[in-house]
Amino acid sequence: DTGVSQDPRHKITKRGQNVTFRCDPISEHNRLYWYRQTLGQGPEFLTYFQNEAQLEKSRLLSDRFSAERPKGSFSTLEIQRTEQGDSAMYLCASSLNNENTEAFFGQGTRLTVV
Amino acid sequence: QKEVEQNSGPLSVPEGAIASLNCTYSDRGSQSFFWYRQYSGKSPELIMSIYSNGDKEDGRFTAQLNKASQYVSLLIRDSQPSDSATYLCAVKQRTGGSYIPTFGRGTSLIVHP
Repeated sequence: DTGVSQDPRHKITKRGQNVTFRCDPISEHNRLYWYRQTLGQGPEFLTYFQNEAQLEKSRLLSDRFSAERPKGSFSTLEIQRTEQGDSAMYLCASSLNNENTEAFFGQGTRLTVV
Repeated sequence: QKEVEQNSGPLSVPEGAIASLNCTYSDRGSQSFFWYRQYSGKSPELIMSIYSNGDKEDGRFTAQLNKASQYVSLLIRDSQPSDSATYLCAVKQRTGGSYIPTFGRGTSLIVHP
């Protein structure tokens, strides 16, 4: 399977715990995006990498969220001190390094904070 | 705040009819437009991209773009019950120094037999 891969698919955590999600993009894709989606809403942009550089970060993103893409391949998204409001689907997408190209999504990680 | 607007629906059409889904956007500098389909509990799946004014056809799907009116639409011909899903419009809009795919909230489509 050469699509975008996310791990884990589901995560249940207690409030206050830290969680980390992983995304493996399509191998030749330079661009990587993280989104969050809640029920009835479209994906909300969180952050964007071009290779290993984090070029954009949503102003709505709490400082409890951090993302890395250390070698320009896979990426991790960490949420510290989780809150119930962090419960959502976390989506990763990747694309080629060209403005007129499509982004392809992974299966997502569904986070439930109890 | 640059926005992508979609009617949340639901849009209900009978099997075999044409479903018409609409989207407007606010960033006049946008050049890339996409339609995704999302089944309940699943991630978005790309179905169409369009970059130039006019129509683009792919099987039963036709995307239409009018940059002057800042309007994108998706037509689904011969709608099938399996087309029942949420359809997300995405527009690459300038965010900081980059163009980022920005999504509408999606339109729920129900195709009834």
